[in-house]
Amino acid sequence: EAGVVQSPRYKIIEKKQPVAFWCNPISGHNTLYWYRQNLGQGPELLIRYENEEAVDDSQLPKDRFSAERLKGVDSTLKIQPAELGDSAVYLCASSLDRQGAVYNEQFFGPGTRLTVL
Amino acid sequence: SQQGEEDPQALSIQEGENATMNCSYKTSINNLQWYRQNSGRGLVHLILIRSNEREKHSGRLRVTLDTSKKSSSLLITASRAADTASYFCATDYAGGTSYGKLTFGQGTILTVHP
Repeated sequence: EAGVVQSPRYKIIEKKQPVAFWCNPISGHNTLYWYRQNLGQGPELLIRYENEEAVDDSQLPKDRFSAERLKGVDSTLKIQPAELGDSAVYLCASSLDRQGAVYNEQFFGPGTRLTVL
Repeated sequence: SQQGEEDPQALSIQEGENATMNCSYKTSINNLQWYRQNSGRGLVHLILIRSNEREKHSGRLRVTLDTSKKSSSLLITASRAADTASYFCATDYAGGTSYGKLTFGQGTILTVHP
């Protein structure tokens, strides 16, 4: 079974430019997450989707970041305009959340490494 | 913001030795999970321990949880060069309305020398 797919794997842009990341979760997974991982740190949740609904976007900097998950499958995370401090690895994860389950394992993609110059 | 602190930040050992990493957190949790991250395989889930459990084993991994001290430890026995990676603890916050909101620590970089 294919894992979580992300593209591109690497992106280098000038500051103030827009950038977009794409994620294809594991087939059948209803929950999708975007994390940002700064160098030397653990991942931090940006947004979580249950199907096509964003149920937790409290950590998403909404002035420049946006995300969508059309049809509850693929997702796109966009930054416009990018700033130097946005340089990080952007990770996508997915899980199959079952009603009443006490734990739903998250499966992570390889990430997109963004460098803003 | 990061939920927890991990200790040590870096650990260097010889193959065959045991490696112990510690994690402290701040809030009540549903469960605590450990992940491994290396450049080859990305972030991979290793083991989960629930808030009502004190110890759990999986192969060469042993995890303990002390909710009174808000701390956990991960022990890797008989380490191998392939265990070289960054290890993160992640807590599933108990105050949320649903499970799955993981908060990661800063990680421990483990280097196992052949």
